[in-house]
Amino acid sequence: DIQMTQSPSSLSASVGDRVTITCRASQTINNYLNWYQQKPGKAPKLLIYTASSLQSGVPSRFSGSGSGTDFTLTISSLQPEDFATYYCQQSYNLLSITFGQGTRLEIK
Amino acid sequence: EVQLVESGGVVVQPGGSLRLSCAASGFTFDDYTMHWVRQAPGKGLEWVSFITWDGGATYYADSVKGRFTISRDNSKNSLYLQMNSLRAEDTALYFCAKEGYIALSGSGRDSYYYYMDVWGKGTTVTVSS
Repeated sequence: DIQMTQSPSSLSASVGDRVTITCRASQTINNYLNWYQQKPGKAPKLLIYTASSLQSGVPSRFSGSGSGTDFTLTISSLQPEDFATYYCQQSYNLLSITFGQGTRLEIK
Repeated sequence: EVQLVESGGVVVQPGGSLRLSCAASGFTFDDYTMHWVRQAPGKGLEWVSFITWDGGATYYADSVKGRFTISRDNSKNSLYLQMNSLRAEDTALYFCAKEGYIALSGSGRDSYYYYMDVWGKGTTVTVSS
C-alpha cells in the first residue's frame, strides 16, 4: 500500500495567518492527490483534486501544489470557519486508496 | 440537491452481522462508482470498499476483505455494505461517498483522476458485547 504521511499532525494558528500543511507519499503518485476538510461531527468535504485543482465552491484562499511524492495545502489567510482537520488522499492506486493521518488545525 | 443518506448502524455483538444502506438522490446514481469510508472514534479516515457503476467490479481494504461485501441496486438508487464476522475494531462512523472524476489530456492520451466529491453524514456501527 502507498503510505501517506502528513505534517504536522496538529497546528495552532490565528485568523489571518498563512498556513501550509504537507503530505508525503511513500512512492511517486504523480499528481493523483486529493485534499479534504472535515469539521467535528461532519462528513469530509473535497477541497482540492489532482493536487492543485480547486473544487467548485471552495474559497480561493485554499490552494494545493506538488507532484511526485511531496504535496502542500496552503490556506492564504485563515478564516474562523477553516479550523478543522485536513486529510490528503492518494488516488494513484485505486485498488487500495489511502488517506493521510490528518492535520488538526486549531485556533491559537 | 445531490444527497447521500446512510442508515443501518446499530450496536452489535462481536461476530455478528449488519447491513448498511446508502440512499442516493439528486444525481444519476448508475453513472458513478461508489465508496464506503469509515472513521473509528477519534481517528482518521479509512477507505473500506468501492463498487463500479454496474456492480461489475468490487474492491476491499485488506482489513475487511472476506468479511464485508459491497453491493448496489441501481433501480433503487441504493448502495449497501454487508458486514459479517464483526470485530471491535470495526467500530466506526461509516460514510458512503460518490466518486467523481476528471479526464485530462496530455502526452497524446487522457489521464483520469478520481476523487470523492459527495459524502453522506454517516451511520455509526458499534461492535461491543
